[in-house]
Amino acid sequence: DAGVIQSPRHEVTEMGQEVTLRCKPISGHNSLFWYRQTMMRGLELLIYFNNNVPIDDSGMPEDRFSAKMPNASFSTLKIQPSEPRDSAVYFCASSKDRVGEKLFFGSGTQLSVL
Amino acid sequence: LAKTTQPISMDSYEGQEVNITCSHNNIATNDYITWYQQFPSQGPRFIIQGYKTKVTNEVASLFIPADRKSSTLSLPRVSLSDTAVYYCLVGDRGNQGGKLIFGQGTELSVKP
Repeated sequence: DAGVIQSPRHEVTEMGQEVTLRCKPISGHNSLFWYRQTMMRGLELLIYFNNNVPIDDSGMPEDRFSAKMPNASFSTLKIQPSEPRDSAVYFCASSKDRVGEKLFFGSGTQLSVL
Repeated sequence: LAKTTQPISMDSYEGQEVNITCSHNNIATNDYITWYQQFPSQGPRFIIQGYKTKVTNEVASLFIPADRKSSTLSLPRVSLSDTAVYYCLVGDRGNQGGKLIFGQGTELSVKP
């Protein structure tokens, strides 16, 4: 298996632009997580899905952030409009069956908002 | 959610055994303890998971006392490549159970 695949690997955009981050979880995994990592705040859980249904989005910072999981093999995290303080590394992770099982992380998307 | 507390940083030398302790005083009955390792510019990677007593795999050992209020990750004979940040997590493995929260982690520096 190729592991969790995230795209793009790097994204540079200007303030106010829409940003869409993509994630393909490991086939057969039913839980998907979006994390954000910065030096100041560390790894923050933004949202997680179980069987394509959002279970907890309390970590989503504000209405500018939205996440979808239209099917078991694809998820997006969208920021609209983007702001400089959104600059961070965004990680997607997946796990089998149950929340709390071993997480497999993607390589992350390094987002820079200028 | 059970909160975890770890040392912010640790230093070691190659060949030594490293023990990183994590405190989780309000761990719940259904919670498991999981450790992850993160290298710069990479996502965290699972190391080991346990519920009680001792768990050992090819990478590390995890020691959990009877009261489960703490756990210790043991890395035998570390090398320079073990320099990384180590995270302790506590969470429920049940369906739609507790979300997994990463703490600040322990930055381990292994010197020659």
